[in-house]
Amino acid sequence: GDSVTQTEGQVTVSESKSLIINCTYSTTSIAYPNLFWYVRYPGEGLQLLLKVITAGQKGSSRGFEATYNKETTSFHLQKASVQESDSAVYYCALGAASSGSWQLIFGSGTQLTVMP
Amino acid sequence: EAAVTQSPRNKVTVTGGNVTLSCRQTNSHNYMYWYRQDTGHGLRLIHYSYGAGNLQIGDVPDGYKATRTTQEDFFLLLELASPSQTSLYFCASSDAWGGSYEQYFGPGTRLTVL
Repeated sequence: GDSVTQTEGQVTVSESKSLIINCTYSTTSIAYPNLFWYVRYPGEGLQLLLKVITAGQKGSSRGFEATYNKETTSFHLQKASVQESDSAVYYCALGAASSGSWQLIFGSGTQLTVMP
Repeated sequence: EAAVTQSPRNKVTVTGGNVTLSCRQTNSHNYMYWYRQDTGHGLRLIHYSYGAGNLQIGDVPDGYKATRTTQEDFFLLLELASPSQTSLYFCASSDAWGGSYEQYFGPGTRLTVL
């Protein structure tokens, strides 16, 4: 089957420091899945942060970046300098075909807390 | 901008109770989805629909019914709630069904079954 793994349930970083949130994926239904990062701010629904649909390409948004690495099956999220307003839950996801239809398969999420 | 609303935002019920979660989207999207999220798990798809009167089964449908009454409204029904259904429920919508299409999410409903 298809799956997404986020190994860190919680990450705490000081403001202005760099960030990396790890994401790896496994898929049997499609050779080149589409990859996404969604973010959920407190009290709100998930919203798309960035997506990459081509292996080897990098997506970026709001200072965050993620590179689609097919060799390591990874899609890590990075930011050079975090702000307190980045505190949120981050979800990695892949779009894959399952039983003839498309699905979004989500990781378990990483709670980011940025300390002032 | 996409707008998906859910009600109630919080709900407490007892085992065996009857619960209806409501979702409305105002973007004229064709597809709507119900997910649940539990600690340590990603969002898991319960049911989805591609139009009024249509219902498709997701990955974790047991114990849930759903109904799409209009293009805007999608309901999730728990007719005999159990403690295992205590969870955070998200509704989402999208314009089309495909691996690259963005889904727009509501703020979630936290359900507790005692």
